Amino acid sequence: DAKTTQPNSMESNEEEPVHLPCNHSTISGTDYIHWYRQLPSQGPEYVIHGLTSNVNNRMASLAIAEDRKSSTLILHRATLRDAAVYYCILRVHGYGGSQGNLIFGKGTKLSVKP
Amino acid sequence: GAVVSQHPSRVICKSGTSVKIECRSLDFQATTMFWYRQFPKQSLMLMATSNEGSKATYEQGVEKDKFLINHASLTLSTLTVTSAHPEDSSFYICSARGGDTIYFGEGSWLTVV
Repeated sequence: DAKTTQPNSMESNEEEPVHLPCNHSTISGTDYIHWYRQLPSQGPEYVIHGLTSNVNNRMASLAIAEDRKSSTLILHRATLRDAAVYYCILRVHGYGGSQGNLIFGKGTKLSVKP
Repeated sequence: GAVVSQHPSRVICKSGTSVKIECRSLDFQATTMFWYRQFPKQSLMLMATSNEGSKATYEQGVEKDKFLINHASLTLSTLTVTSAHPEDSSFYICSARGGDTIYFGEGSWLTVV
């Protein structure tokens, strides 16, 4: 499985944008870039995913480098509720039995200061 | 949106007993579900892949006779920790694929005393 590299931790101020980077230099052509976040004592929550083009949803934006070797999750206005561990994961889409066994790295722990 | 629910959210059991954790997909069918374990301050570790109507596939190092997985229907998978010991105390999380998105349950805290 292609691996991802993320900073261990980041800090942000409330109401400010946050850019969470992820490097995935060994990404293959069929790997989608997924982001999940995990709040304390909860299961991971889906945030966003993309393949090649930048993506936006109500939670965040995902900016994908042209060579796909890196991506950035953008929270446009951080709130205290966004404090969590953010995981960048590569996954092949499909309907085989193993399609969905996400392999988690250590992620980035985001702290948000009021 | 799709929801995956786990029960119980917290359970305390005595050493040597067995405990069952349920994982349900509430508004979609899931032929495949996944079970993870997470120790404090660590990341999620995949334990096994639960397949509806067939045997689960376990990751290397996970004892299949200790962590029994049953996927009896398209919306329910269960994880039974048999002969639990204090070192099995952990946060257990399930997930299921709904279309292209993986949804996670809320997690179940197991404490073995």
